[in-house]
Amino acid sequence: DAKTTQPPSMDCAEGRAANLPCNHSTISGNEYVYWYRQIHSQGPQYIIHGLKNNETNEMASLIITEDRKSSTLILPHATLRDTAVYYCIVRVAGTGRRALTFGSGTRLQVQP
Amino acid sequence: EAGVTQSPTHLIKTRGQQVTLRCSPISGHTSVYWYQQALGLGLQFLLWYDEGEERNRGNFPPRFSGRQFPNYSSELNVNALELEDSALYLCASSLVDRGLYEQYFGPGTRLTVT
Repeated sequence: DAKTTQPPSMDCAEGRAANLPCNHSTISGNEYVYWYRQIHSQGPQYIIHGLKNNETNEMASLIITEDRKSSTLILPHATLRDTAVYYCIVRVAGTGRRALTFGSGTRLQVQP
Repeated sequence: EAGVTQSPTHLIKTRGQQVTLRCSPISGHTSVYWYQQALGLGLQFLLWYDEGEERNRGNFPPRFSGRQFPNYSSELNVNALELEDSALYLCASSLVDRGLYEQYFGPGTRLTVT
């Protein structure tokens, strides 16, 4: 699975959009970008994933650059409950079920 | 739909003892993963079970073991507990869908070894 690079921490004002970047410059054509988050001392929560098109669900939007070397997770209206560590994971699809490799992620602090 | 459940929530053990942690996956999910998250550290993959078989294990000693039952629930066993085994143990389950899948995590079991 390709290596990812994320900033260690970010702040965001409540009600504003939170834009979390992820660099995955070595991504290959069959690798997907997944985002998970972990609220303090809880199990990680799946947020969204995508291959090359932008994706949106009820939680967030995922913007992947045309060259697929980076992506941005967007929380459109951050709330205090969005304070968590956000993990960007790149992995191959279609090869069966395998464990996730978590990096150190980005600690997002939403400020009131 | 019920999520992944784990038991117990917390437990305290003494160094050298043995412990068993339990996980029930989401209904219909056949794969179960175990992860360890020591305080201040990232999630480390421990074990992966699928269809009752151990499919892969992370870089952990053999005293970490487990099994998956016919109903796809799973146990994680840790023998000869050491202080550094104190951690949050997370279980996740997944279902293959055209080769794409998300892992759904339980709330974890917090193990303290004294």
